[in-house]
Amino acid sequence: QVQLVQSGAEIRKPGASVKVSCQASGYTFSDSYIHWVRQAPGQGLEWMAWIRPGNGGTNFAKKFQGRVTLTRDTSIGTAYMTLRSLTYDDTALYYCAREMAVASTGPFDHWGQGTLVTVSS
Amino acid sequence: EIVLTQSPATLSLSPGERATLSCRASHIIHNYLAWYQQKPGQAPRLLIYDASKRATGVPARFSGSGSGTDFTLTINSLEPEDVAVYYCHQRSDWPPGGTFGRGTKVEIK
Repeated sequence: QVQLVQSGAEIRKPGASVKVSCQASGYTFSDSYIHWVRQAPGQGLEWMAWIRPGNGGTNFAKKFQGRVTLTRDTSIGTAYMTLRSLTYDDTALYYCAREMAVASTGPFDHWGQGTLVTVSS
Repeated sequence: EIVLTQSPATLSLSPGERATLSCRASHIIHNYLAWYQQKPGQAPRLLIYDASKRATGVPARFSGSGSGTDFTLTINSLEPEDVAVYYCHQRSDWPPGGTFGRGTKVEIK
């Protein structure tokens, strides 16, 4: 079965960076886009970026351009999201999600369990 | 950027009742709409995509309808396990990953 397993919770100081991993299994990693979505405490969902594992192509929401880097290691089926210059507003649960390949409208059919990133001095 | 407006913010119903959740888009999005269920402490789960198609394993009491700018998620015969926040999500337009509504919280009386 399809699974996305994310790395554990992180605590960082303001101005630091954090790298979150998302290990995929149960399908061909290169065949589906991986998206990153975050959720601040008690808030809704916010799309951040996607990576196309097959060729490493990326795309970002405007507010994260220049501050987020997405990479992947196809040999181990893992995607990574690095967020730099952290502020208190970046405290959130960060999810990776797989884009459903067979639907033309691109919904996210499998999600990781989420990684809590806390920014605290 | 397309804005999705969900209503009501909270819906409180008794078991067995029908829940009707609305999602309105600021511009036409055709059928590029999905619905997700997020239970407390869990990741979102895809329920409906292409506005009206049920995802794998989703109970038949969940149904989606609509096109253009107005969409509805209906939960027939509400069950206690349906307590969750429901989000709509469009991928018709910028940003590339789409936008989400602010969610409707469904409670059981």
